Amino acid sequence: DTEVTQTPKHLVMGMTNKKSLKCEQHMGHRAMYWYKQKAKKPPELMFVYSYEKLSINESVPSRFSPECPNSSLLNLHLHALQPEDSALYLCASSHASDRVGANVLTFGAGSRLTVL
Amino acid sequence: KQEVTQIPAALSVPEGENLVLNCSFTDSAIYNLQWFRQDPGKGLTSLLLIQSSQREQTSGRLNASLDKSSGRSTLYIAASQPGDSATYLCAVRRNTGNQFYFGTGTSLTVIP
Repeated sequence: DTEVTQTPKHLVMGMTNKKSLKCEQHMGHRAMYWYKQKAKKPPELMFVYSYEKLSINESVPSRFSPECPNSSLLNLHLHALQPEDSALYLCASSHASDRVGANVLTFGAGSRLTVL
Repeated sequence: KQEVTQIPAALSVPEGENLVLNCSFTDSAIYNLQWFRQDPGKGLTSLLLIQSSQREQTSGRLNASLDKSSGRSTLYIAASQPGDSATYLCAVRRNTGNQFYFGTGTSLTVIP
């Protein structure tokens, strides 16, 4: 299995809603990432988990709350979002940096979020 | 902080032409460099990965080179096809930690 699976593919939510984005991989990768991408821009790193522990938080507002319940799953909990948070949210995984080798970064297809 | 730039931002070529996309980075202390392709509204597909100790990698019509000392990588696409139309992104991985820095992307259109 060489895939990263993201659900849902599309999500529309109001500013008062609580929702979650989910990401799953079964490649034995121990580093998992959330990226945010606006139209015609490169992906912006939000969070990195390494061995199920949060290792990087790129000053993301607290209305985004990541969670890594086990080595295969990564969630992004959303609450009280703003319309400007509408974007494509991409999950990725790789071997952790302590593993010698190619360490390819593998992306999911993304979750398109619209905040009304 | 690592800055990654891609030139040109957009490129339009007739089918069959060979082309080169450029990626520049400011800090040569990298672990590897990866080239991706992204179709509109989709995720990123990995094309080639070059380790910092390597000079080039090839896959089919694609060839990526790396000159770490000058902070440059190129992606060469031979005999371009309309299906190659997409945005191409490069990303460099730091020597330590799990951080990848993305370039600004090149939007490629191959005209039939």
